[in-house]
Amino acid sequence: AQRVTQPEKLLSVFKGAPVELKCNYSYSGSPELFWYVQYSRQRLQLLLRHISRESIKGFTADLNKGETSFHLKKPFAQEEDSAMYYCALKARDNYGQNFVFGPGTRLSVLP
Amino acid sequence: NAGVMQNPRHLVRRRGQEARLRCSPMKGHSHVYWYRQLPEEGLKFMVYLQKENIIDESGMPKERFSAEFPKEGPSILRIQQVVRGDSAAYFCASSPGLAAPDTQYFGPGTRLTVL
Repeated sequence: AQRVTQPEKLLSVFKGAPVELKCNYSYSGSPELFWYVQYSRQRLQLLLRHISRESIKGFTADLNKGETSFHLKKPFAQEEDSAMYYCALKARDNYGQNFVFGPGTRLSVLP
Repeated sequence: NAGVMQNPRHLVRRRGQEARLRCSPMKGHSHVYWYRQLPEEGLKFMVYLQKENIIDESGMPKERFSAEFPKEGPSILRIQQVVRGDSAAYFCASSPGLAAPDTQYFGPGTRLTVL
């Protein structure tokens, strides 16, 4: 079964501290993973995807197939990083592709 | 480019009524996805459409829910005989399809409240 878990519903850190938002997945195929972010009163938007191996707004995420994880990290959190973060898995089945989202983690960066 | 548009932003219906949610994809996008977000939960995939075709409806409830994406006009998510459990935020996303299959642009969502 395809599943994405984000164990923390809420994560609070102080400005300048490192932050790690955890994401684990279960999928029998070759996974494609994404992080989406939703800032307050804004729409959901793509933050980064593992195939690009990019760093966006200082965030990085490495796919660890052995641990089936795709944790999102940033060395120094900023107040403007406060938002809801969703980890997503692109899954394929007999019908095509769809996205499986985790429940989300609310990141609160304190001054 | 105005981005993905959804209307209405808020919709209130009484039990038994019909709800119609509209999604206008970004210009040039031919693929539309619908997601539902129940309170305190993450996004759940419902259906994936191309123009005039349903590609994947594995996330759609078997009854009362239907979706279409006609050749002209917005994509419509239709919920017949709504019940309280249908209260949720419904998000639409569009993508260019084969040109950039991994990228989805999300609309602001429609918040449905069933009284």
